[in-house]
Amino acid sequence: QSALTQPRSVSGSPGQSVTISCTGTSSDVGGYNYVSWYQQHPGKAPKLMIYDVSKRPSGVPDRFSGSKSGNTASLTISGLQAEDEADYYCCSYAGSYTSVFGGGTKLTVL
Amino acid sequence: QVQLQESGPGLVKPSETLSLTCAVSGYSISSGYYWGWIRQPPGKGLEWIGSIYHSGSTYYNPSLKSRVTISVDTSKNQFSLKLSSVTAADTAVYYCARARSTGHSFDYWGQGTLVTVSS
Repeated sequence: QSALTQPRSVSGSPGQSVTISCTGTSSDVGGYNYVSWYQQHPGKAPKLMIYDVSKRPSGVPDRFSGSKSGNTASLTISGLQAEDEADYYCCSYAGSYTSVFGGGTKLTVL
Repeated sequence: QVQLQESGPGLVKPSETLSLTCAVSGYSISSGYYWGWIRQPPGKGLEWIGSIYHSGSTYYNPSLKSRVTISVDTSKNQFSLKLSSVTAADTAVYYCARARSTGHSFDYWGQGTLVTVSS
């Protein structure tokens, strides 16, 4: 069970869109439509932003969207705002009620 | 509102056993969902440790399986983590969280507790 691969950092200006990728294998990302994304601000617990590839929990702005193609999932944040600056982690179901996280991506809003 | 709160020693000696408890309020563990532990070493990413169902069925990260035990106490509405033979590499913030039954995404998290392994 290896960690999913994410870019270490991405950046964008306010109002722009950014996309964070998350690459796994056919045993995790590619094998199930169960990818989730978490936002983590410094010193805080992670917050669920997307689940089941593209579903948003109640209260999460529709600026956040998720998708998947093959073994790679993506999180897109449109209309970037200063408060979106945080670390983002993907997570995939890997069968038998196990999960695997990505290494995390630091989003900087310029 | 579902709330989770971790508790336990903040300092554990090398080779000893790390023990943490997660108290759940606002939802009965017996009603369903899975309940998990995730950790985050200082400055690093998240690592899933394992999860438990209210029935007691457990699921562990293969890399930690030999050292991890997760248990549930439905009468106290809490679940626990034990990690044996700890080393400095086990120093991390430990989170407990609720996992959806399908897809296993973690929708509610505790605030996390820092456990340092040091003599």
